[in-house]
Amino acid sequence: IAGITQAPTSQILAAGRRMTLRCTQDMRHNAMYWYRQDLGLGLRLIHYSNTAGTTGKGEVPDGYSVSRANTDDFPLTLASAVPSQTSVYFCASSGGGDTDTQYFGPGTRLTVL
Amino acid sequence: GQNIDQPTEMTATEGAIVQINCTYQTSGFNGLFWYQQHAGEAPTFLSYNVLDGLEEKGRFSSFLSRSKGYSYLLLKELQMKDSASYLCVARDSNYQLIWGAGTKLIIKP
Repeated sequence: IAGITQAPTSQILAAGRRMTLRCTQDMRHNAMYWYRQDLGLGLRLIHYSNTAGTTGKGEVPDGYSVSRANTDDFPLTLASAVPSQTSVYFCASSGGGDTDTQYFGPGTRLTVL
Repeated sequence: GQNIDQPTEMTATEGAIVQINCTYQTSGFNGLFWYQQHAGEAPTFLSYNVLDGLEEKGRFSSFLSRSKGYSYLLLKELQMKDSASYLCVARDSNYQLIWGAGTKLIIKP
C-alpha cells in the first residue's frame, strides 16, 4: 500500500450499533487525524494523535473514540451510532516539518438510519 | 471566534483565469493552505503560504496578506479537470487548522 487507506469505503448502519472505521498509513507519519465532512461545512476535527500512544480531542469528539497502538493504525469507533453521525469521514496524517501538510485517505461514507 | 470566509460557488470558462478569495480570522497565525477536492474524493494539498506575497506553482498561484487576513488562489489556463472544490485552511498559533467550507468551481467549455 502507499499513502493512507480507509475501510470500509461506505457503510449503512442501524442506529445504536457499534462501528469501527479503520485507517492505516505507510508513510511513518507521527501525527494522524480524523475529520468529518458535512455539506456546507468545513472539515471538522474529531480526534487526533500526535504520536503513537497519545490521542487528543478535536472540535467534535462526542460519540467517538480513538486509539493509537502503533504508528500506522488509527481506528475511529462509534460506540452507539446516531443519525447525526451520518457523514463522510476522512483520516489524515502529517509528518511534521515547516508545512506539516496533511495527507488524506479516500474517506468512508457512513449512513446511520 | 475563528473562521474562514470564501465564496460558496464560482463559475469560469475553460482557458480563462479565476481568482478564489479567502478571508480568515484566527487566534494567531501560522500559515495558510489551499486544498483541492474533487467530488467524492479526498482533499489534496495545493499550496502553502506563511509569508506575505505570491507563491507560484505552475498554473496555480497563491497569495497571502497577513495584515489583511486575506489570501487568494489564482488558477490560470483553466481546464475542465479543474472543476472541483477549493478549500482555504488557516493554521492558528496552536497549530490547529481552521477549514473553510470550500468554493465549488464550475468550469464551462
